[in-house]
Amino acid sequence: DIQMTQSPSSLSASVGDRVTITCRASQTIGSYLYWYQQKVGKAPKLLISTATTLQSGVPSRFSGSRSGTDFTLTISSLQPEDFATYYCQQSYSGRTFGQGTKVEIK
Amino acid sequence: QIPLKESGPPLVKPTQTLTLTCTFAGYSLSTTRLGVGWIRQPPGKALEWLALIYWDDDKRYSPSLKSRLTITKDTSKNQAVLTMTNMDPVDTATYYCALLDNTDAFDIWGQGTLVTVSS
Repeated sequence: DIQMTQSPSSLSASVGDRVTITCRASQTIGSYLYWYQQKVGKAPKLLISTATTLQSGVPSRFSGSRSGTDFTLTISSLQPEDFATYYCQQSYSGRTFGQGTKVEIK
Repeated sequence: QIPLKESGPPLVKPTQTLTLTCTFAGYSLSTTRLGVGWIRQPPGKALEWLALIYWDDDKRYSPSLKSRLTITKDTSKNQAVLTMTNMDPVDTATYYCALLDNTDAFDIWGQGTLVTVSS
């Protein structure tokens, strides 16, 4: 099974901060990596597909990158509506989600 | 019109079999490369993928739950059905269905349905 290790599990940040969340795969997954945002009581929302492709309608302050089996979600300037939990997910073999990163207000 | 909607019992007893239905509008599971997946989330915990089925009836299951899961589709009804046997209180969770797009992402999600396992 492919394991996805997300870090940190939580972080506190202020509006306007640059935020980086990392996801490491236990083996190669190519670029079969997706990022989701989930707000309390809501279903997840797809932000980025295939590691770097921003979904239509998602603000450009969100971006994704890949370096080998390490993947990064960056929010360039945190906005109030960005406080949520973020999950990575691989689709190279089956499907696996990371443990989530909760972004809280500092 | 809600694109995807999960339905099923809110409460099941331990050892019973859970049957969940995902009904989607505006999409057809006969469309090439389309798929439907099931994902669950215990209260306060992370997302966990369960199963998925593609337009061509290709099916995939979570290795840890494979023995308990069955996923099927009814293209004429625009539905995907998940059954999970031998339910346990640890299976208490919100169960989501989601559409797989042509990049294999869970693109569109249902609102989720909370299933509680308790005697």
